[in-house]
Amino acid sequence: QQPVQSPQAVILREGEDAVINCSSSKALYSVHWYRQKHGEAPVFLMILLKGGEQKGHEKISASFNEKKQQSSLYLTASQLSYSGTYFCGTEVSGTYKYIFGTGTRLKVLA
Amino acid sequence: NAGVTQTPKFQVLKTGQSMTLQCAQDMNHNSMYWYRQDPGMGLRLIYYSASEGTTDKGEVPNGYNVSRLNKREFSLRLESAAPSQTSVYFCAATWTGKETQYFGPGTRLLVL
Repeated sequence: QQPVQSPQAVILREGEDAVINCSSSKALYSVHWYRQKHGEAPVFLMILLKGGEQKGHEKISASFNEKKQQSSLYLTASQLSYSGTYFCGTEVSGTYKYIFGTGTRLKVLA
Repeated sequence: NAGVTQTPKFQVLKTGQSMTLQCAQDMNHNSMYWYRQDPGMGLRLIYYSASEGTTDKGEVPNGYNVSRLNKREFSLRLESAAPSQTSVYFCAATWTGKETQYFGPGTRLLVL
């Protein structure tokens, strides 16, 4: 039931781009993206709602395709501060039960 | 405005001991959640409370109990701790299940 993220891990040089994917076997009605720094709690990045709307936050944006039950997070011109583990999260429809994806570890090197 | 707070920050238990992890939020959110995160792993839902007076099992509820004491507080109890319960425990709160989750700082639990 847990959404599957790919890749599991990625290493970038500063300035490079990355895409993180989140795929669910169940219908998605909204998707949230979070970033977790080592030893800290996850922090909310953005929410994607039905309609394929693409949201942006500085150089980080995301898309959501509810028909394919997938969401993608785009990191452009990566910075050292982007390092961390990224999780997608979603509510299991109509239940208040909230689950997270498997996670993607991202490391940006100088 | 502290957001979501958790106590204790760190705890060491011996196998078989019991303890309660406390979580409180001052954001007036309806729903609260308990997750565990094992080293290098993702977040797994233990229990959640959609609203005051209700609790439901998540993906990994065995060995845990919860109490939604009031709208602000949601506690997690380990009745007989086992080494497999060594983990970092996060509490989160959200207005409804569809909204952003706000996390506490976590409780690091070591069971020997």
